[in-house]
Amino acid sequence: NAGVTQTPKFQVLKTGQSMTLQCAQDMNHNSMYWYRQDPGMGLRLIYYSASEGTTDKGEVPDGYNVSRLKKQNFLLGLESAAPSQTSVYFCASTPGTTSGNTIYFGEGSWLTVV
Amino acid sequence: GENVEQHPSTLSVQEGDSAVIKCTYSDSASNYFPWYKQELGKGPQLIIDIRSNVGEKKDQRIAVTLNKTAKHFSLHITETQPEDSAVYFCAASHATGNQFYFGTGTSLTVIP
Repeated sequence: NAGVTQTPKFQVLKTGQSMTLQCAQDMNHNSMYWYRQDPGMGLRLIYYSASEGTTDKGEVPDGYNVSRLKKQNFLLGLESAAPSQTSVYFCASTPGTTSGNTIYFGEGSWLTVV
Repeated sequence: GENVEQHPSTLSVQEGDSAVIKCTYSDSASNYFPWYKQELGKGPQLIIDIRSNVGEKKDQRIAVTLNKTAKHFSLHITETQPEDSAVYFCAASHATGNQFYFGTGTSLTVIP
């Protein structure tokens, strides 16, 4: 009963380093998302993927890249980490592309860029 | 695009009292409104949701109401308990696709 699993849970990066956050879901969901959560700003969408092989920009995509090569995996890459990318990142998934689907979240990945 | 506003940002209630959190949305095409509870160090978890063809939904101590005309929906928690202390988020899902728009969250503290 894993649901949405994110790795790593905690990461410290130096400015300019790159890294990839990994997300896996075992619910055979079509749509997957990456959000960042900052104090007082709620959840902001970085990128989403409506289906395997497709990705679209969300509200705050700059400085990130994503890939959805397999239906169950959605990867978030930081090309050259900046202190402004210090945040908590949440991966999420929903069953399909129609509206009215419940969105399920992972437990979060805490990223600090120094 | 859709804009979801949530109030209040913080809320303190005495144990046993009721708590109400309100959200407004801007796009009349939104038709699905979930509420999430986020405990410290955890991801948001769905606690209740409502669709636009329903005006009210209740699940034990939690209820959600929707006013489509006014474009607002509210979360009601009755007989609050200390374990209800958490951050609560509302969201709206747009009818044309699979994007979710979240409010900025309400930090609820239930004082024993």
